[in-house]
Amino acid sequence: DVKVTQSSRYLVKRTGEKVFLECVQDMDHENMFWYRQDPGLGLRLIYFSYDVKMKEKGDIPEGYSVSREKKERFSLILESASTNQTSMYLCASSLPWNQPQHFGDGTRLSIL
Amino acid sequence: DAKTTQPPSMDCAEGRAANLPCNHSTISGNEYVYWYRQIHSQGPQYIIHGLKNNETNEMASLIITEDRKSSTLILPHATLRDTAVYYCIVLTGNQFYFGTGTSLTVIP
Repeated sequence: DVKVTQSSRYLVKRTGEKVFLECVQDMDHENMFWYRQDPGLGLRLIYFSYDVKMKEKGDIPEGYSVSREKKERFSLILESASTNQTSMYLCASSLPWNQPQHFGDGTRLSIL
Repeated sequence: DAKTTQPPSMDCAEGRAANLPCNHSTISGNEYVYWYRQIHSQGPQYIIHGLKNNETNEMASLIITEDRKSSTLILPHATLRDTAVYYCIVLTGNQFYFGTGTSLTVIP
């Protein structure tokens, strides 16, 4: 089975901090994704990556950056955390083109 | 970009079939329909996907209309553990567009 592991289930940070969310997958998938999930808004794509050192903006990239130095690891960075970034963050991975995405269990991030 | 429309909520009696509808009237010929579900405080779980033909696996069946403008996910014998939010998604390239899904409650 595909395993997508997110480093923390719950995280509390302060406004202005630089925050790193880590995601690791064990199935050698080319594609990796970061979403945020908010009540009433569903899942929204922040960034995705087709390959190592490749990244593409999703629908809501503002205030975020990503890093993919190794194939199995995809990091989401909040450069200067703000309260409106309090949310559930979900990482996913997949093989290319028309293949299912497999999700981690999410990180619930609170910015105080 | 193709988008989907689902009813916000549905109930189903335990042991009965749950039929979850989805409209995707703007879908294009090479876009797949995916179904996921999400149980509270967990990440979305893949269920099934299809392009044109009906599909079945150990979890569910997917019925896609001939014009591809709508589909139905069928859970043949719903259990209490099937209570979850179910998402119908159209895959465009590598991007999933999640809506707000259907909250399915299985009633004992």
